[in-house]
Amino acid sequence: DSGVTQTPKHLITATGQRVTLRCSPRSGDLSVYWYQQSLDQGLQFLIQYYNGEERAKGNILERFSAQQFPDLHSELNLSSLELGDSALYFCASSPHLGTYNEQFFGPGTRLTVL
Amino acid sequence: DQQVKQNSPSLSVQEGRISILNCDYTNSMFDYFLWYKKYPAEGPTFLISISSIKDKNEDGRFTVFLNKSAKHLSLHIVPSQPGDSAVYFCAASERGGATNKLIFGTGTLLAVQP
Repeated sequence: DSGVTQTPKHLITATGQRVTLRCSPRSGDLSVYWYQQSLDQGLQFLIQYYNGEERAKGNILERFSAQQFPDLHSELNLSSLELGDSALYFCASSPHLGTYNEQFFGPGTRLTVL
Repeated sequence: DQQVKQNSPSLSVQEGRISILNCDYTNSMFDYFLWYKKYPAEGPTFLISISSIKDKNEDGRFTVFLNKSAKHLSLHIVPSQPGDSAVYFCAASERGGATNKLIFGTGTLLAVQP
């Protein structure tokens, strides 16, 4: 158990809908990252928050947004869902910024868009 | 453009033998490299890391080697055990500190045969 929790574990929804994925980082970790893993793909970085502020963006679609709250949990909002958004979404956390620290991953949310 | 490449999608090894997983990268700004192991329906689990100032790091049965001139790293598992069967991801992050987002390879599925 990494200490990172994600809810829900599975989500099935229809095209055009909006969903919210939730992540609670490890106790004391200030940095939260979101990654997407599509079929046969590696993990693609979406966005990073540090202590409530956006720190970096990857190839995140404009239909997707995220935020980190004062209690450090984070939510990833996906709207106008398309079939191609079906994927595993992972949240990770690390204690601080700086290159030399590993990220700890949650169990993921499997999103299926029908 | 795939900055981190794992060219072998799968590898099969006999129990007790050595497993060697390879990873190549193209970005010379990468200075921290990590290996993660992933079981189905779970999030990636951190395994071992190496910074660019080293060429080897060892942790029990796991050793990571870094060849900066060749932009190549490898993970050695000795001896391999059936419980090591999983997908292994290589990841890298850039020098700089503004963000330590990880760039992942597409993974290698290791099967350790009893």
